[in-house]
Amino acid sequence: DIQMTQSPSSVSASVGDRVTITCRASQGISSWLLWFQQKPGKAPQLLIYAASTLQTGVPSRFSGSGSGTDFTLTISNLQPEDFATYYCQQANSFPATFGPGTKVDIK
Amino acid sequence: EVQLVESGGGLEQPGRSLTLSCVASGSSIDDYAMHWVRQAPGKGLEWVAGISWTGASTGYADSVKGRFIISRDNAKSSLFLQMNRLRPDDTGFYYCTKDSASGWTPPNLFDPWGQGTLVTVSS
Repeated sequence: DIQMTQSPSSVSASVGDRVTITCRASQGISSWLLWFQQKPGKAPQLLIYAASTLQTGVPSRFSGSGSGTDFTLTISNLQPEDFATYYCQQANSFPATFGPGTKVDIK
Repeated sequence: EVQLVESGGGLEQPGRSLTLSCVASGSSIDDYAMHWVRQAPGKGLEWVAGISWTGASTGYADSVKGRFIISRDNAKSSLFLQMNRLRPDDTGFYYCTKDSASGWTPPNLFDPWGQGTLVTVSS
């Protein structure tokens, strides 16, 4: 199985800050990388697919980049509704695997 | 846009069985693969099983292979997960999610997700 790692595991930030989360795959996955946001007690919601394509309805302050093994999710101008846990997922190989998550909380 | 609602979770003893259901509304899921993904309390996400649009092809995580069975009834816009020989490490929220393609094999794009149903395996 492809192992996914994320860093940091948690980050404290303020409204208006820029936050960057890194995701690394144990082997190359081209651009088959998705990002999800999960709020407490809620299901994950798709933010970005194909490493950098925003899902319909996702604010443009979210952006993704990378290919191969290294990927980033950037949240510019952090908003109160962005405090959540973020997961990356590789969609290249069976089985689909997720990173352990990065919790973004209020400083 | 499709909405997914899971049901069937609850408290069950180790070794027993439980069947989860997921009903879709708002849009058809007939042409799309469907999946179950689970999350242990306070933990990360784990893909459990997937099924093709016709139901003819299925796949399972090693952790559930031989114990769980995924199925679907397109006439009822429904997805199921029959969970046999339950173990305590099967405890968690179980989400059904729709794929963007007709086959369950990668690449997978899971969207949307249901709200989840909690399964607790304990004596």
